[in-house]
Formats: sequence, structure tokens, C-alpha cells
Amino acid sequence: AQSVTQLGSHVSVSEGALVLLRCNYSSSVPPYLFWYVQYPNQGLQLLLKYTSAATLVKGINGFEAEFKKSETSFHLTKPSAHMSDAAEYFCAVRNQAGTALIFGKGTTLSVSS
Amino acid sequence: NAGVTQTPKFQVLKTGQSMTLQCAQDMNHNSMYWYRQDPGMGLRLIYYSASEGTTDKGEVPNGYNVSRLNKREFSLRLESAAPSQTSVYFCASSDGTSHSEQFFGPGTRLTVL
Repeated sequence: AQSVTQLGSHVSVSEGALVLLRCNYSSSVPPYLFWYVQYPNQGLQLLLKYTSAATLVKGINGFEAEFKKSETSFHLTKPSAHMSDAAEYFCAVRNQAGTALIFGKGTTLSVSS
Repeated sequence: NAGVTQTPKFQVLKTGQSMTLQCAQDMNHNSMYWYRQDPGMGLRLIYYSASEGTTDKGEVPNGYNVSRLNKREFSLRLESAAPSQTSVYFCASSDGTSHSEQFFGPGTRLTVL
């Protein structure tokens, strides 16, 4: 069965610092993986997705993620954090039946000046 | 295009009351979903509809019913609300292909007293 684990429920960085949000997955089939962002009191917005075309995936707002099959990981990074990046981030994997997404529990990113 | 819309935005119910959460999408998507979001739990799938005329249970369906009224609309009904159903509810839609992203509505914040 598919599952997602996000390591660290809360990550704090300084403005301009590297952002690293960790996601590990479990999947019995080649996975389709997604990162979503949720700003306060809003719905979820897609940041990027992995669909086997390339292992390094670039998304919106300067974020990118690298798919590593050997480590079953899909960590999200951004070289330089902005205050506007403060939000909750969710990693998700398509379920085996292909009918829905399975979400991790989320990581809240705080950015300080 | 409005994308995915949800009504109402906020609702307070008393235990035992019933209500229906409405969701509509204007992207001609085949698949629609209802999730609930609780602190520290991520998003959990309540029900989904892979196509017009079909509905299936997700991870946490107890206490809920759904109706796929037509291709655009997918409603979620609480027949007898309980305090455990206090949550933020999100509707989402996708074109249903295995690599496709889900588009989310703004959410309904429900409190059951």
C-alpha cells in the first residue's frame, strides 16, 4: 500500500537560507508524487509533480524536488527562502488504484527575518 | 474560470443537525473528491467520484454521504453531525488520469458543538 512520511512537522529557517522539506514514500508501483502548498486559510496549490519524466522536477516559486528511487525520497528544496514562503507543505503519492492521492501530515515552514 | 468552488465557507452546527456541503468545478473534470483536514493529520479522503454516476468510499467515510449530481457538482452530506466532524473540508477535482494533479477549492470550516 502507498504511504507518505514527512519528516519534521515544523521547520524554521531565516530569510535567504536554504529550505529543505523531507518526504519519504512507500509504493508498490512506480510512484506519481506531488508537493502542494497551503497558505493560511486557503486551499492547496500544486507546487510540482513527479511523473517519471525526469528525476529533478522544477516547480513554481523557485522550488524543486529530486526523486531518488534508492532512498524512496522526494525532498523539496529552495535555495533561498522568502518571507512569503511561510506556509504548510504537503507531500502526496498517487494510490495504487490511481483513483486518489495519499497525503503526508504536512510540514509547517516558518521564515524569520 | 472559477476553478473549484465550495459553499458555505463557514458553518456552525449543533450535535445531531444535518447539512450539505456543496462543491462545483468548471474545468470539465471527470473525478471529484472530498477530504477533511485536521491538525497534525494532513488531508484524509472521505469519498471520491471517479466519474459521473459513480462514488466510492475513501479512508474516513463513516458519518458522511455523497452525491455526484452531475459532472460539475459533488455534494457531501452530514446526516447527524457529531463533534468529531469538526474539521475543514476540501473539495478537489482532476481529469482522472494517473499523473494528473488535483485542483482544490478554498475549503469549508465546520464546527459542531
